[in-house]
Amino acid sequence: QQQVKQSPQSLIVQKGGISIINCAYENTAFDYFPWYQQFPGKGPALLIAIRPDVSEKKEGRFTISFNKSAKQFSLHIMDSQPGDSATYFCAVTGTASKLTFGTGTRLQVTL
Amino acid sequence: SAVISQKPSRDICQRGTSLTIQCQVDSQVTMMFWYRQQPGQSLTLIATANQGSEATYESGFVIDKFPISRPNLTFSTLTVSNMSPEDSSIYLCSVVSPLSLRAFFGQGTRLTVV
Repeated sequence: QQQVKQSPQSLIVQKGGISIINCAYENTAFDYFPWYQQFPGKGPALLIAIRPDVSEKKEGRFTISFNKSAKQFSLHIMDSQPGDSATYFCAVTGTASKLTFGTGTRLQVTL
Repeated sequence: SAVISQKPSRDICQRGTSLTIQCQVDSQVTMMFWYRQQPGQSLTLIATANQGSEATYESGFVIDKFPISRPNLTFSTLTVSNMSPEDSSIYLCSVVSPLSLRAFFGQGTRLTVV
């Protein structure tokens, strides 16, 4: 059973544009919603995360929007840069700190 | 934060053999997690390793195929047994900060089975 659905699978954005990646989850017991960034040959690294008691969190060019009633959350990358080209995974955490990852989005930022 | 070292970083193995992957953390942690990431795919949790008790395996993963050791609070190993080409993947270990819930990952072990 897929608990986290992520879209799109791949995304091409011009430099300076906005990248938007969406995730939807099913289990309302989840209480922590992180986004991880992964470069080739590296393990994922936390980019930004949100708890369900707020609807938006911004850190620099990265913003998470969270819609608890719709069970959806999204990552917005403003002023996208070529260095942002990577694979992005949303995730959810519930009991025992176990992460369930989305399917991933491969982002390419072109010049 | 936590720094995780994984060894080996990559290996090419013959089918039917076994490979043991080591994971060392620079701080004591209660739980360590092992993930599999097949080429171009997402991460799937294999098992949770607790010090002093048997690992807890996720659906689809069994101890005979993926035995795990956790001899102390900073170290764990994952063995991939009786390998087949379908086991070709990246294997990652991870720890989670209990306060922030932030997960830290090793750089992964890229396994190719021929």
